[in-house]
Amino acid sequence: EVQVVESGGGLVQPGGSLRLSCVASGFSFSTYWMSWVRQAPGKGLEWVANIKQDGNEKYYVDSVKGRFTISRENAKNSLYLQMNSLRAEDTAMYFCVRGGRSYDYWGQGTLVTVSS
Amino acid sequence: QSVLTQPPSVSAAPGQKVTISCSGSSSNIGNNYVSWYQQLPGTAPKLLIYDNNKRPSGIPDRFSGSKSGTSATLGITGLLTGDEADYFCGTWDSSLSSGVFGGGTKLTVL
Repeated sequence: EVQVVESGGGLVQPGGSLRLSCVASGFSFSTYWMSWVRQAPGKGLEWVANIKQDGNEKYYVDSVKGRFTISRENAKNSLYLQMNSLRAEDTAMYFCVRGGRSYDYWGQGTLVTVSS
Repeated sequence: QSVLTQPPSVSAAPGQKVTISCSGSSSNIGNNYVSWYQQLPGTAPKLLIYDNNKRPSGIPDRFSGSKSGTSATLGITGLLTGDEADYFCGTWDSSLSSGVFGGGTKLTVL
């Protein structure tokens, strides 16, 4: 069974940092693009970033460029999102998803709250 | 403001058919595949349609997708009360080099 499980969310002050992790199982992780998608409370979906199978190609939404870094560790079936200089508008549920342009498996999400 | 435009809400009676539109531009829908997602209240989104009109295993054929030019449409026939959810379209934007989603459409089955 395909599963992706996120962790690392929490409450952080504006300007702070957080690192999200996602562990995948049930499929050959190293052969798939992976992405992060977020959803602010009561709002729609926002694509955040994606990363190629070998980690050598990455893309970001403009609002997080220079602040967030997506990475992966194929040996550990793991995907990461390092989030720096966090802002109130980054408050959202962050989903780890399988795929680069369409997303066929979603985790349950990890909640990031940026507030003082 | 979302790059892709969807109606905020649609409604129909049980057993009826509904369509949800998703409008974009040549840099996104016009030159990339469209996917559709269903988000039931309090749950993670679920893939309904990929590559414009393909259904993943386990998705009933009541759900269909189509694309024409810079617009895409999700169709749902034989509506069930359990279909009440938010529906999102998504694609890649070649100019932005990023994924994009519509703002979402809330389906009410009256």
